[in-house]
Amino acid sequence: GQQVMQIPQYQHVQEGEDFTTYCNSSTTLSNIQWYKQRPGGHPVFLIQLVKSGEVKKQKRLTFQFGEAKKNSSLHITATQTTDVGTYFCAGRETGGFKTIFGAGTRLFVKA
Amino acid sequence: NAGVTQTPKFQVLKTGQSMTLQCAQDMNHNSMYWYRQDPGMGLRLIYYSASEGTTDKGEVPNGYNVSRLNKREFSLRLESAAPSQTSVYFCATDGVAMNTEAFFGQGTRLTVV
Repeated sequence: GQQVMQIPQYQHVQEGEDFTTYCNSSTTLSNIQWYKQRPGGHPVFLIQLVKSGEVKKQKRLTFQFGEAKKNSSLHITATQTTDVGTYFCAGRETGGFKTIFGAGTRLFVKA
Repeated sequence: NAGVTQTPKFQVLKTGQSMTLQCAQDMNHNSMYWYRQDPGMGLRLIYYSASEGTTDKGEVPNGYNVSRLNKREFSLRLESAAPSQTSVYFCATDGVAMNTEAFFGQGTRLTVV
């Protein structure tokens, strides 16, 4: 079945450093979504990418969807303490009906 | 507009006790999910329902049962709770046909002693 792998599992950064998390699917995806979960909270939707090679930005966050629609990345420029949390990617297999979540990358930011 | 409502928010059970976690959504979505999240870990899919009357096992279904009562409600039952089921449980919903994002409930923090 479809699997979505996400790396790294954890990342510790100094405030101001950049951060990237990567997501890879075993099958072609119809879309990729990214979520953020603050400590003690629930996952909250950030963005969705649909097109091959698509790049979207939200302030310091840059999201990319691979040309083959099997991988994606989230890059945060100049991290801040407010970026702390777990970032999940989630994808739906082309023609599928179920959203599959990656295991998440937990980001720690040291002030 | 409540979105996704989970009850209870907190629960402590003794080993062997049973309980049902309730989830209701008012977003008219077809798909509903139950996940568990252990401390410091990611989301693991327990069960999934693509529509009213249908359910499918996820990654970690053992020890759980589900019921999709109607389009709005999707409940998760622990028949005989075990300490290994101590976790935070999230219900989520998305509209597959509409290609929408997933909306999560606030979570149920369950401790089995």
